[in-house]
Amino acid sequence: EIVLTQSPATLSLSPGERATLSCRASQSVSSYLAWYQQKPGQAPRLLIYDASNRATGIPARFSGSGSGTDFTLTISSLEPEDFAVYYCQQRSNWLFTFGQGTRLEIK
Amino acid sequence: QVQLVESGGGVVQPGRSLRLSCAASGFTFSSYGMHWVRQAPGKGLEWVAVISYDGSNKYYADSVKGRFTISRDNSKNTLYLQMNSLRAEDTAVYYCAKDGMTGDWGQGTLVTVSS
Repeated sequence: EIVLTQSPATLSLSPGERATLSCRASQSVSSYLAWYQQKPGQAPRLLIYDASNRATGIPARFSGSGSGTDFTLTISSLEPEDFAVYYCQQRSNWLFTFGQGTRLEIK
Repeated sequence: QVQLVESGGGVVQPGRSLRLSCAASGFTFSSYGMHWVRQAPGKGLEWVAVISYDGSNKYYADSVKGRFTISRDNSKNTLYLQMNSLRAEDTAVYYCAKDGMTGDWGQGTLVTVSS
């Protein structure tokens, strides 16, 4: 089973700043990695699929990069609505695995 | 557009059973594998089970193996999760999700296991 490790666990930033979130896989997942945003009481929302493709309706300030085992989600300039929990996800051998999440909080 | 609507959650005593349903629309249900994913209160996302498009293959997380059964009825465009021998640690919001990396998830149904 592939394990995804996200860092940092918590990121404290101010609106307007740049956020960089990391996801590392225990073995290569090629580019088959997604990023989700989750706000309290809501289902996860897909931001990025296949490592670098923005999902429909996702603002351009969100970008993804990486391949193999190391991936990054970047939010270029934080808006107030971006403070939430972010998860990376991969799918292999039928099952999904998720990172433990990064909480992005207002500084 | 893809729509997934879970139902069947509620409060149940430890050791009892519950069946969740997920009604699918907006895509050819019989062509896709389907997953259940859960999230305990204040915790992260945990994959629970997957079923292939035709129901011939099923896989489970170790935490639910032998207690939970995933199934589907392609004539009704519906996914199921039969949960037996429920434990307090099964308390979570349960989401159904379409296979792949398309982000098609339902809004979830809350299962609370408590005496």
